[in-house]
Amino acid sequence: EPEVTQTPSHQVTQMGQEVILRCVPISNHLYFYWYRQILGQKVEFLVSFYNNEISEKSEIFDDQFSVERPDGSNFTLKIRSTKLEDSAMYFCASSEAPGVQPQHFGDGTRLSIL
Amino acid sequence: GDSVTQMEGPVTLSEEAFLTINCTYTATGYPSLFWYVQYPGEGLQLLLKATKADDKGSNKGFEATYRKETTSFHLEKGSVQVSDSAVYFCALRDNSGGGADGLTFGKGTHLIIQP
Repeated sequence: EPEVTQTPSHQVTQMGQEVILRCVPISNHLYFYWYRQILGQKVEFLVSFYNNEISEKSEIFDDQFSVERPDGSNFTLKIRSTKLEDSAMYFCASSEAPGVQPQHFGDGTRLSIL
Repeated sequence: GDSVTQMEGPVTLSEEAFLTINCTYTATGYPSLFWYVQYPGEGLQLLLKATKADDKGSNKGFEATYRKETTSFHLEKGSVQVSDSAVYFCALRDNSGGGADGLTFGKGTHLIIQP
């Protein structure tokens, strides 16, 4: 069964450094998403991406965040200048279509900011 | 805005017990509803879904019915197994057209099944 893959599984970064989290969505999917889950809290929506542009973003997704689809397979989340509070599990998801079609999630990248 | 409320965990049951995990929602439009499961050390896996009122989603012995009148989507299983131990997330996706395409999740319910 096709799946969403994320790399790395764990990223440790110094505060203030830039970090790029990578995702390979399911190949025939057109809609891509990033979520985060701070330890012990709920999963929160960050951003959705379609047709090479952001279609929706939450208030969490401020100017330090950016997303990109640099080629036909990868989808990346960049955090420009990391803060301690960015420590969380980051999940990538993809779906064939919005609305009723389910989103399929990767296993996540655990980001630890020191 | 949209929100999902789940019963607090952890929920601890014996093997073969009946399971109910409550989920209620508020939404401005007509959402699709989902249950996701997260096994230890893994990502979120779709367990089941329902896209309109009175739909019943089912998978692996779990089922949930979309109840518009009570704005609920409770997860049930008749006889749980140790392998069902995981965190279960209720989620909605707004289909009203103007709403966010991102999923709104509940806080998750940690289920522990004892042999």
